Amino acid sequence: GAGVSQTPSNKVTEKGKYVELRCDPISGHTALYWYRQSLGQGPEFLIYFQGTGAADDSGLPNDRFFAVRPEGSVSTLKIQRTERGDSAVYLCASSPGTREGVTQYFGPGTRLTVL
Amino acid sequence: QKEVEQNSGPLSVPEGAIASLNCTYSDRGSQSFFWYRQYSGKSPELIMSIYSNGDKEDGRFTAQLNKASQYVSLLIRDSQPSDSATYLCAVSGNTPLVFGKGTRLSVIA
Repeated sequence: GAGVSQTPSNKVTEKGKYVELRCDPISGHTALYWYRQSLGQGPEFLIYFQGTGAADDSGLPNDRFFAVRPEGSVSTLKIQRTERGDSAVYLCASSPGTREGVTQYFGPGTRLTVL
Repeated sequence: QKEVEQNSGPLSVPEGAIASLNCTYSDRGSQSFFWYRQYSGKSPELIMSIYSNGDKEDGRFTAQLNKASQYVSLLIRDSQPSDSATYLCAVSGNTPLVFGKGTRLSVIA
């Protein structure tokens, strides 16, 4: 079946601009996660949703970052007033629930470059 | 702050040898432990999960967990050039996954 998909695959923007990154999880997966991976680092947790609500947004670095999942499926990560330090690969993952130990399946990521 | 530590490598092994990858974690409340493989420019792919002390084998891969020492390892037997990738250790315990920085493995033909 189809895996997690993310669009766009690459996004180049200028400092100060607004960007939206989209994630389409595996069908039927109720949990959706956003991570950010910088070069040479492991993925860093940003936020996760159980259904439509953000269950934990403790990883969002500041109030320029916001994410929504209005219908409990597709999610959009929104970044306002982008900064060069926001450049990274943004990874989305989904899982069939959030019980301890459940496997998260990752999408291909969106590479964001802020010039 | 929950931390997961890995040697960044690169770890170079000859084809056919055993590759040993290690990971330590700081949170004693951690309950679930994962090894992900990540090829350059690709997303992480789960290869092993382990939840209780001891060994867990799956094909050429063996995960080992020692909660008392807060230590997780991954052994890859009969290493192949296609195993060359970055291996990420991830840990959770009623919290989102915390990843290490990854160990880069290079299998030399």
